[in-house]
Amino acid sequence: AQSVTQPDIHITVSEGASLELRCNYSYGATPYLFWYVQSPGQGLQLLLKYFSGDTLVQGIKGFEAEFKRSQSSFNLRKPSVHWSDAAEYFCALRMDSSYKLIFGSGTRLLVRP
Amino acid sequence: DAMVIQNPRYQVTQFGKPVTLSCSQTLNHNVMYWYQQKSSQAPKLLFHYYDKDFNNEADTPDNFQSRRPNTSFCFLDIRSPGLGDAAMYLCATSRDNNKPQHFGDGTRLSIL
Repeated sequence: AQSVTQPDIHITVSEGASLELRCNYSYGATPYLFWYVQSPGQGLQLLLKYFSGDTLVQGIKGFEAEFKRSQSSFNLRKPSVHWSDAAEYFCALRMDSSYKLIFGSGTRLLVRP
Repeated sequence: DAMVIQNPRYQVTQFGKPVTLSCSQTLNHNVMYWYQQKSSQAPKLLFHYYDKDFNNEADTPDNFQSRRPNTSFCFLDIRSPGLGDAAMYLCATSRDNNKPQHFGDGTRLSIL
């Protein structure tokens, strides 16, 4: 069955440090992949998406993600974290011709001053 | 310039008392979705509308209903809320089934 795994429940980084959030998926074909961010008490905001083409995807707020088919991964990165990046991050997969998003369980990012 | 608007942001209701949550959109998207998100969990899809066609997820309880009177509005009705229904309810829209979903800020529902 299709699934998304975010191995890290919590991650703490210092402000200005680099960030990588891990996402692995299980799906037999090429997936459509998304990263969403959710600030406390808010809805989900789309950071970036991968449909096809260039495997390095640029998103909003200085985030990028790289699709690696051989590792079934779609890790999210940011070179320098800001305090305002503290939030919950969800990786999601959608199968071809499907409406349904399959979410990972989320990673909560804490930023140290 | 909010594009997916959910009202109210916070809703308190009594155990067993019907409640309706509202979602509107200015994007003119064909598809509207309702998700339930419990604390520290990922959102769970309850159902969605493609235009006027209603699509229920297999594991959505009968207690949850939805209405979409026009393109812009979609409602979530909980007929007899139980304590386990306390959650954040998220509305999302997409232009088509295979396009990215845009979320509202959610309604946090509390049950007394």
